Amino acid sequence: DIQMTQSPSSLSASVGDRVTITCRASQSISSYLNWYQQKPGKAPKLLIYAASSLQSGVPSRFSGSGSGTDFTLTISSLQPEDFATYYCQQSYSTVTFGPGTKVDIK
Amino acid sequence: QVQLVQSGAEVKKPGASVKVSCKASGYTFTSYDINWVRQATGQGLEWMGWMNPNSGNTGYAQKFQGRVTITRNTSISTAYMELSSLRSEDTAVYYCARAVYYYGSGMFDPWGQGTLVTVSS
Repeated sequence: DIQMTQSPSSLSASVGDRVTITCRASQSISSYLNWYQQKPGKAPKLLIYAASSLQSGVPSRFSGSGSGTDFTLTISSLQPEDFATYYCQQSYSTVTFGPGTKVDIK
Repeated sequence: QVQLVQSGAEVKKPGASVKVSCKASGYTFTSYDINWVRQATGQGLEWMGWMNPNSGNTGYAQKFQGRVTITRNTSISTAYMELSSLRSEDTAVYYCARAVYYYGSGMFDPWGQGTLVTVSS
């Protein structure tokens, strides 16, 4: 099975900060990498698919990059509604999720 | 709009089975795979398996092989996930999600609202 890791596991940031979350796969997954946002008590929401494509309706401050084994989710200017947990997910071979990165208020 | 609506919370005893439903609306049910993902309290997301509603073909994560069964009723656009031999570690929120493919990359959108399954004696 392909293992996914994320770093950091949590971070504290302020409104307006630039935030970067990293996701690493245990083997190459090409660009078969998606990012989700989850708020407490809610289902995950798709943000980025195929590593760098912005899902319809998602603000442009979210962006994704990477291919192979290393991927990044960037929030260019953190907004109050962005405090949440973020998960990466690979679909190259079955499905695996990263352990998540919790973004909270500094 | 595209929507997945799941059945309500369940409380089960260890050793029992649970069957969670996921009703699709706003799109052609048989055109998109349905996946099931679970999340224990305070934990991450764990993929359980998928089903093609058109063919009925399924695939399961190795961890759940032999314990999980995903089925569907196309006449009412509903998918089901049944988990047997429940134990306390199966206490979690169970989500269904529609799989959308982009050049072979599968993403989940949207998700159901989740169903809490509690396993307790």
